[in-house]
Amino acid sequence: DTAVSQTPKYLVTQMGNDKSIKCEQNLGHDTMYWYKQDSKKFLKIMFSYNNKELIINETVPNRFSPKSPDKAHLNLHINSLELGDSAVYFCASSQDSSGSGANVLTFGAGSRLTVL
Amino acid sequence: GQNIDQPTEMTATEGAIVQINCTYQTSGFNGLFWYQQHAGEAPTFLSYNVLDGLEEKGRFSSFLSRSKGYSYLLLKELQMKDSASYLCAALDSNYQLIWGAGTKLIIKP
Repeated sequence: DTAVSQTPKYLVTQMGNDKSIKCEQNLGHDTMYWYKQDSKKFLKIMFSYNNKELIINETVPNRFSPKSPDKAHLNLHINSLELGDSAVYFCASSQDSSGSGANVLTFGAGSRLTVL
Repeated sequence: GQNIDQPTEMTATEGAIVQINCTYQTSGFNGLFWYQQHAGEAPTFLSYNVLDGLEEKGRFSSFLSRSKGYSYLLLKELQMKDSASYLCAALDSNYQLIWGAGTKLIIKP
């Protein structure tokens, strides 16, 4: 059983298209995240949800819209894809968002998005 | 601003010991994490330090000095499978993780 699963693993698409990446966790965690890892390997937080409520919304273009139907799912929809959106997108979850050692992240396997 | 510094790449020999350093500057501090990331895979949790000192977990140990804004990850008895990137991340006063770019560790036979 995969703890944090995200689909698809690979996504190749044309500029201007709209695409979605889905994420599900079966750990019973309260908090879920979307991270972007670019070619320089920096992990950048994009969004964080705690029990379906948005708690972190970093400066990302509003072409990116997260949706959390329940606390086990956090999907990422991207409109009007641009070349600079090419990256690996990681979903992650943690027990809570209050910090301390309980804030250990469990990551999904990543979704590699290539925009042509 | 908030910043994490760690070397970009290190090389070590199988069976040896390597120390990966990390310095951090954050608005407040609630602990420091180390994650391991193999190429093409997800980061996985290695350690968490919030108090000064050394935490040992098998072949891996992590050290923290809060006054110096400094941590290191020590890997002993290196194995080929330890070839990976090691990510340092500090938890700031808002409990947000600030990530370093990672140190790519290359193990040679």
